[in-house]
This record gives sequence, C-alpha cells and structure tokens, in this order.
Amino acid sequence: DAKTTQPPSMDCAEGRAANLPCNHSTISGNEYVYWYRQIHSQGPQYIIHGLKNNETNEMASLIITEDRKSSTLILPHATLRDTAVYYCIVRVNTDKLIFGTGTRLQVFP
Amino acid sequence: DSGVTQTPKHLITATGQRVTLRCSPRSGDLSVYWYQQSLDQGLQFLIQYYNGEERAKGNILERFSAQQFPDLHSELNLSSLELGDSALYFCASSKNRVGAGELFFGEGSRLTVL
Repeated sequence: DAKTTQPPSMDCAEGRAANLPCNHSTISGNEYVYWYRQIHSQGPQYIIHGLKNNETNEMASLIITEDRKSSTLILPHATLRDTAVYYCIVRVNTDKLIFGTGTRLQVFP
Repeated sequence: DSGVTQTPKHLITATGQRVTLRCSPRSGDLSVYWYQQSLDQGLQFLIQYYNGEERAKGNILERFSAQQFPDLHSELNLSSLELGDSALYFCASSKNRVGAGELFFGEGSRLTVL
C-alpha cells in the first residue's frame, strides 16, 4: 500500500511555480522521499529524491519538512510539457517503488 | 531516453495465448523491475530481480513468470492470457545500491488481448 497522500488534481498557469504537496506521516528513518511523473502513457520519469535535506536539480526542488512528515515538489516555471501525473513515493533506497494514485497536474496557457 | 529498452512496443493476441515481453536494462544496472498498468488499476508492481535472482514479488499472477538472464536482460512471460491482462507493461532498472536508488523506466509494451 502507498504510504503517501496527495491531492488528486491541481492546476497551474504556465510560467508560474507549481507546488505539489505530499503527506507521509508514517515515514521511517531510513525511507527516502521520491518523486516521479508520468506523461500520458509514457514510462514514469524520475524527478528527484531526498532523505531529510532539501534537494534541487535541473528539473525541480524538493522541500522536506523538519519532521519529515510532509514534502513539497516545486517546479519553478511550469510549462505545458509538465502536464502529467506526479507520484510521491517513500521507500528504502534499494526497495521496489509502490505507486499510489498521484496528483494530476494540468498546466494551462 | 532512459536507456531501458523494451520490446515489443505493441502486441495484439488472443485469449489463451502466451507472450513474452523483453527488457534490456541500462548499462551497469543490476536490478530489473516489472510493472503493470491497466486503466482501472494504476501502476502495479509485479516482480523485481537483482543480478539474476528474484528479490521481491508483488501482485504477480501465477500465470505470469519472469527471469533475469546472465547478461542482465529480463523477460516477462504471460500465459493463458485473459481479456483483463490487456495493459501497459513497464520495465525499470536501477543500480540497486544505497545512494543510487532511482529507477529508470522503459517506454512500455502495450498488450492487447482480444
């Protein structure tokens, strides 16, 4: 069973920041927070992951609260191509990924 | 391009038949994962192999089997196919060591059972 809670859908205007929240109140100390996205029926795409520190890469930023019970994925300047289902997943680093239902992000012009 | 190759991309077959889906992982990746995505089920984990050995099993039916070969490619065998087996089947690979846990997914094999 997925250990995360995400809103089913969100909208964002093109060029604005998209902030996608995720609750993972039962996360264990050795579990990482991973974010993936799936554009239409393509293979899921890795975005970013973190353990307790905030992380940033060329795609996004990941903000993890100090108690690690929630996190936010930030797409700083959303484009139409960012329209996708975004999955927040907690897992031990070498374990399988269990996908929940994710957040369907719609970026509009 | 994730570096994970899946074949065939599309497959249409009849109920009762058997098919084999193939996955070539990224160079250097030791783990292979199989997932099924049907319209009403989302992404379901089926099975994981690590360096030729089964490592974890999910919701994989007894009619389905998989293996990972010495060259690290993997095959998913689906037999006695039913209409409900129609789905996208994704393969993913990872190095499977601490600090390199991200999975990279192929583009999937779309199976249609008529």
